[in-house]
Amino acid sequence: NAGVTQTPKFQVLKTGQSMTLQCAQDMNHNSMYWYRQDPGMGLRLIYYSASEGTTDKGEVPNGYNVSRLNKREFSLRLESAAPSQTSVYFCASSAKETQYFGPGTRLLVL
Amino acid sequence: QKEVEQNSGPLSVPEGAIASLNCTYSDRGSQSFFWYRQYSGKSPELIMFIYSNGDKEDGRFTAQLNKASQYVSLLIRDSQPSDSATYLCAALNLGSARQLTFGSGTQLTVLP
Repeated sequence: NAGVTQTPKFQVLKTGQSMTLQCAQDMNHNSMYWYRQDPGMGLRLIYYSASEGTTDKGEVPNGYNVSRLNKREFSLRLESAAPSQTSVYFCASSAKETQYFGPGTRLLVL
Repeated sequence: QKEVEQNSGPLSVPEGAIASLNCTYSDRGSQSFFWYRQYSGKSPELIMFIYSNGDKEDGRFTAQLNKASQYVSLLIRDSQPSDSATYLCAALNLGSARQLTFGSGTQLTVLP
């Protein structure tokens, strides 16, 4: 079992460029989440998907869109990247209450 | 605004000592509480969770919950240098589609 996987591991973008962060889980979990983590701050929820076919905004959704492609995959898209989106992005999945995290994507927007 | 507060530290303890990490939360609707450990440059990994008042022990770790005081703590007994990491406290409100609210974390250093 790979658990939660994320691609890419690192990415450098220029302001205004777009990109999609990919996340997949093989634990048959219904719920999936996207967080960002900035220095000195905890994890902040961007979007989540309680089940296949549903998505909802979290605490900091502006500038992002998501797609729950199927039960396994949950992608995060930045349509027009801004320097304020420089961060580490974590995907997580859960069954019941416990969330399991992927290894993260480090994004730098210049 | 639902908040989870932690002292950012750094907290330093000598090897073999007890490390005590504290967390308070503002949302009385929070029902379960989680402690995650995060090594530098890595993703959070679950240590343990607690949902009933009192203590819950798992090996060298003990989580404590006091819902009246809205207070959660994590004790690490016989601290080891490998315990040096950032510890994240999180609260779950089942009424919020199972969203976790995280504190900013406490950085722990265990000195050899």
